[in-house]
Amino acid sequence: DAGVTQSPTHLIKTRGQQVTLRCSPKSGHDTVSWYQQALGQGPQFIFQYYEEEERQRGNFPDRFSGHQFPNYSSELNVNALLLGDSALYLCASSLGIGLADDNEQFFGPGTRLTVL
Amino acid sequence: AQTVTQSQPEMSVQEAETVTLSCTYDTSESDYYLFWYKQPPSRQMILVIRQEAYKQQNATENRFSVNFQKAAKSFSLKISDSQLGDAAMYFCAYRSGNTGNQFYFGTGTSLTVIP
Repeated sequence: DAGVTQSPTHLIKTRGQQVTLRCSPKSGHDTVSWYQQALGQGPQFIFQYYEEEERQRGNFPDRFSGHQFPNYSSELNVNALLLGDSALYLCASSLGIGLADDNEQFFGPGTRLTVL
Repeated sequence: AQTVTQSQPEMSVQEAETVTLSCTYDTSESDYYLFWYKQPPSRQMILVIRQEAYKQQNATENRFSVNFQKAAKSFSLKISDSQLGDAAMYFCAYRSGNTGNQFYFGTGTSLTVIP
């Protein structure tokens, strides 16, 4: 049973460029959430996708956008990269968007983005 | 918005000893969930233990247990019989019981286990 996978593992970009990160959820999961984890900080919620729609969004600018595909995989896109976008980007998957006790989020290993 | 505070950036413990990591949170909700996640150098966040706010009994998972004080909005993690493999960053997280499963994380506590 494959867990949450993310690609690429590492990425280096320059300011102003655009980047796309990818996530495949755990088998059986249909909901994907994205988090940004700056160095020495806890993860910050970016947004959540369910049924191919953005359902919730954290306090991130419109430069951050996403997509979910029919197979539940997801992409995170960041436009006009800033130095401050350098971080570990974590993807987490879960089943549904309800509030059930067993609605646990499983995290992927993350993508380390460095903006120069 | 909910806030989660971990006031101990770093902690250390001797192997086989017990250590307690602190976490406080701020919320006006009565229905929520609390979690402790472990993030080793491999970066993958691993769920350690969870607590439902409506449950009075403190959660336990083998060597890991919590002290949940709802009135004080405190949620500490106790690790007993510490092992070298417990060395990692530990994050306390809050999830609303009303507004979906967005997680709010603390800033983490780096735990070192001394052989």
